[in-house]
Order: sequence, then C-alpha cells, then structure tokens
Amino acid sequence: RKEVEQDPGPFNVPEGATVAFNCTYSNSASQSFFWYRQDCRKEPKLLMSVYSSGNEDGRFTAQLNRASQYISLLIRDSKLSDSATYLCVVTLASGGSYIPTFGRGTSLIVHP
Amino acid sequence: GAVVSQHPSWVICKSGTSVKIECRSLDFQATTMFWYRQFPKQSLMLMATSNEGSKATYEQGVEKDKFLINHASLTLSTLTVTSAHPEDSSFYICSAAYSSYNEQFFGPGTRLTVL
Repeated sequence: RKEVEQDPGPFNVPEGATVAFNCTYSNSASQSFFWYRQDCRKEPKLLMSVYSSGNEDGRFTAQLNRASQYISLLIRDSKLSDSATYLCVVTLASGGSYIPTFGRGTSLIVHP
Repeated sequence: GAVVSQHPSWVICKSGTSVKIECRSLDFQATTMFWYRQFPKQSLMLMATSNEGSKATYEQGVEKDKFLINHASLTLSTLTVTSAHPEDSSFYICSAAYSSYNEQFFGPGTRLTVL
C-alpha cells in the first residue's frame, strides 16, 4: 500500500460545480498535512495547510480526519482557472526531522 | 507566500558533465531545503532533505556521490549532478521551509536534459 494515495482522476466538471478530492495516508503517526496545486510543467504552489479543526479559504475547504486517515479538499463554484493537478502532502517524523511524502495528484479539468 | 528562486531554469549538457543547480530562499531563512525530481506524469520524488550546516539526508535509492548537496547558509542550497547521463534528465525542484514540519515553498524548477 502506498503511503499517500489519491484518485488520479481526471475530474471533469463544469464551471460553477462543487468538487471534492480525498487523500488517504497509511501512517497514523503522520504529523502535518498540506494541499498544493501544480500546473502543467510548473512547480507546486501551496494551496492550504490542513488542520484538525479544518480550515477554509474562500472557495476552498480542507478537512482532516485522523481516525480514518484521510484529508479532503472541497472546491466550491469551480472556475476555469482551477484546472490543475492537486497534490496532497503528508509529513512523518523521522530521526528528529519530518519527511514529506507527496501523493501522485488528482487532475481537475473545469470546462465552460 | 515566500519566494524561492532556482537557477538555471533549464540546462542541456553532454553526457559525463556535471551540472550545478542553485536554490535560494529570497525573503526568509530556510532551516530546511528539500530536493525533488519529477518525471513526466509522475509524482514528485523526494531525493534528499538538506538542513543548514549539516549533511543532507538522502532517500533510499538516491546516490549521495552522484547528487551532491550543499546547504551552506540559511538562504542557499545547491545540488550538483555529477557525471550526468541521459537517464538523469528530469525536472529538478527544490523547496524551502522554516522547518521540515512546516509548509514548503517551491522554486520554479530546473529542466535538465542530458544528451
């Protein structure tokens, strides 16, 4: 089983739709969680950190479920510019440091 | 978010040469920098974690003598691909963080093509 798993998609949705992605992780000792967005042939850009209490930033809401070991990202009122690959990142304590592990990403295509 | 630069943005070299990539955090002091490699349509693969003033920690399967990492200051880390071969052609991306626990800020990446 992979450490961090995401449905690769693609998720093909119309403008204005609400779409949700999940990301599961295998190690219950994982410490911190993030969502990044990566456009084609570009570097990842931080979308939001994910806290146990959940957090919201405009149209984006992230949740963490430690019991079931997954994080989620909800995008409301999708825009064409939301089309990208969404990566989840989970860090795990290792030898005094924290090692990040990326999921393979979920591809989102928002069409007119 | 914080700004991280990476240089060069792309490089083409002959097989057997060495290539040095610089990663700089421009507006904050990065205790930790990470180096990744990404092949087309694949996920980011962590190569090594670099902490300022100490030796880098390499992931399993990454040759430390081939991928030399130096993190001499809180704003600069370098990756040198020694004796590059065509199979080393990839997208190399660095990231910087206040600590390995915190969110990372990525550089724009370096596309390496080895002929």
